[in-house]
Amino acid sequence: GQNIDQPTEMTATEGAIVQINCTYQTSGFNGLFWYQQHAGEAPTFLSYNVLDGLEEKGRFSSFLSRSKGYSYLLLKELQMKDSASYLCAARNQAGTALIFGKGTTLSVSS
Amino acid sequence: NAGVTQTPKFRVLKTGQSMTLLCAQDMNHEYMYWYRQDPGMGLRLIHYSVGEGTTAKGEVPDGYNVSRLKKQNFLLGLESAAPSQTSVYFCASSYEAGAQPQHFGDGTRLSIL
Repeated sequence: GQNIDQPTEMTATEGAIVQINCTYQTSGFNGLFWYQQHAGEAPTFLSYNVLDGLEEKGRFSSFLSRSKGYSYLLLKELQMKDSASYLCAARNQAGTALIFGKGTTLSVSS
Repeated sequence: NAGVTQTPKFRVLKTGQSMTLLCAQDMNHEYMYWYRQDPGMGLRLIHYSVGEGTTAKGEVPDGYNVSRLKKQNFLLGLESAAPSQTSVYFCASSYEAGAQPQHFGDGTRLSIL
């Protein structure tokens, strides 16, 4: 089976940096995704990691350590619009579907 | 560019009624998925399809059926709705496995009384 763990809630202030952690236990690893979901909206794709290391996309970066079963999403220069849920998801063993964590709700205040 | 379109967007049912949720994608994606999202539970996979004419069970398939008669459409059926099926249902699609992300529809908010 697979298990994805991430914190339930986080708070931060505008302009700050926040790191959202995700640990996963899978019987076979086929890649890890991060999605952003604003309240009442659909999830949207942020990043994908399959190899160890850091992937940077503008203000957002994602890191993966396969040996530790660990990933994090780093958000820099936080803006109010970054208030959302952030979903960590790992591919299932067959590589045909994603298993999602319960999501981390980030609240950014001024 | 429509992407992934779900119909209806909202629906209220009575216990025991049946209904079908429709998902249509115009991106020529092979893979399609149905999820439900409940407070505190995250997104849970109900059923998925890796191509026209194929379906497979996900994490929470009981009480649901699906069909993929055409590549662009993926239908989710509730034969006899139960209050426990009150949820927000999301459809998603992707080209294949690997680095290709899933693209989500806007969701269907379903209440069962």
